[in-house]
Amino acid sequence: DAGVIQSPRHEVTEMGQEVTLRCKPISGHDYLFWYRQTMMRGLELLIYFNNNVPIDDSGMPEDRFSAKMPNASFSTLKIQPSEPRDSAVYFCASSSPGLSATQYFGPGTRLTVL
Amino acid sequence: KQEVTQIPAALSVPEGENLVLNCSFTDSAIYNLQWFRQDPGKGLTSLLLIQSSQREQTSGRLNASLDKSSGRSTLYIAASQPGDSATYLCAVTLSRDAGNMLTFGGGTRLMVKP
Repeated sequence: DAGVIQSPRHEVTEMGQEVTLRCKPISGHDYLFWYRQTMMRGLELLIYFNNNVPIDDSGMPEDRFSAKMPNASFSTLKIQPSEPRDSAVYFCASSSPGLSATQYFGPGTRLTVL
Repeated sequence: KQEVTQIPAALSVPEGENLVLNCSFTDSAIYNLQWFRQDPGKGLTSLLLIQSSQREQTSGRLNASLDKSSGRSTLYIAASQPGDSATYLCAVTLSRDAGNMLTFGGGTRLMVKP
């Protein structure tokens, strides 16, 4: 398997623009996680899905952020409108069924909002 | 709210030294604890996972221990090599009901000098 795939790898946009980050989890994994990493706050869980259903979105910073998982092989994280403080590296991770399953991380999307 | 702390934040050692990285967490009701490695510009790679009922896990030159009652874990790296240079993060999963949600520490940035 190619591992968790994220696109784009880098995104530079201007404040107010809509940003869409994409993730393809490892085939057969039924958990999908979105994280954000910044120097100030470290690595934070934003939202996670189980079998395409959002389970916990308490980490989503505000209504400007939304995430979807229309099928088992694709998820998006959307920011609309984007702000400079959203600049961070966004990671997607997936894991197989079971509460002890290791999470496999994608390479991340580095987002810069000017 | 679970808080995870890692000390030291940065560490520089000469090649060949044995070293210990520390992780502490405030809520001892964890389900498991994981240690990850992150290389610059890359995603996270899981190194070791310790279930709450276990005391330690070993993989090659790495040994992770867990003292759940005191809220501590250590990652021991034997005979360090320059290739071990990376940021090491620990993360805990709370009780079974919390699913696979990970709470991360801030990481220890390790530099092994040749």
